[in-house]
Amino acid sequence: KAGVTQTPRYLIKTRGQQVTLSCSPISGHRSVSWYQQTPGQGLQFLFEYFSETQRNKGNFPGRFSGRQFSNSRSEMNVSTLELGDSALYLCASRSSGTERNEQYFGPGTRLTVT
Amino acid sequence: AQSVAQPEDQVNVAEGNPLTVKCTYSVSGNPYLFWYVQYPNRGLQFLLKYITGDNLVKGSYGFEAEFNKSQTSFHLKKPSALVSDSALYFCAVRGPTGGFKTIFGAGTRLFVKA
Repeated sequence: KAGVTQTPRYLIKTRGQQVTLSCSPISGHRSVSWYQQTPGQGLQFLFEYFSETQRNKGNFPGRFSGRQFSNSRSEMNVSTLELGDSALYLCASRSSGTERNEQYFGPGTRLTVT
Repeated sequence: AQSVAQPEDQVNVAEGNPLTVKCTYSVSGNPYLFWYVQYPNRGLQFLLKYITGDNLVKGSYGFEAEFNKSQTSFHLKKPSALVSDSALYFCAVRGPTGGFKTIFGAGTRLFVKA
């Protein structure tokens, strides 16, 4: 079974621009969560989607948004990029069955804002 | 509010020696506890979890963790370390309510010296 895939793997943007990151979960997984990883703040939860609905949200400004499609693929968008948004963005998917507590992470998208 | 503390930024151990990576948590109600490992330029990989039951949990790659409710700890252990165990280890907690929002510790870097 294919793992979680994230595209693109690397991205360089300029302050003020916007960016869209994509995540394809493991087949059959309906839950997708997004995390931001930085050296200073560690891993911080952004939001979780399940069946196209946002179920949980972390403490991030409204510039960070996401959505989930009917095929469970998810995108997150960051508008008006700031230097501090430079980070590794990780996506994780989870099943609804007996292993629903385990998250499976993708390799991440490394975003650099200049 | 949920929180996780990993008191050591780095743990150094010689190959063949036992290793312990410490984790303490704070959550209302019964916790769901997890350990993940991250290798360079990779996403996080699930190692093990505690949901309920036996306090000693066995996971992947020979790792185990002991849940101690009175000390609110969930330390990761391995009887004999390998050089290939060198990586970044994250402890994570989720409360019984609030959906599947997972809080991660800051991470502990493990160095295993040959």
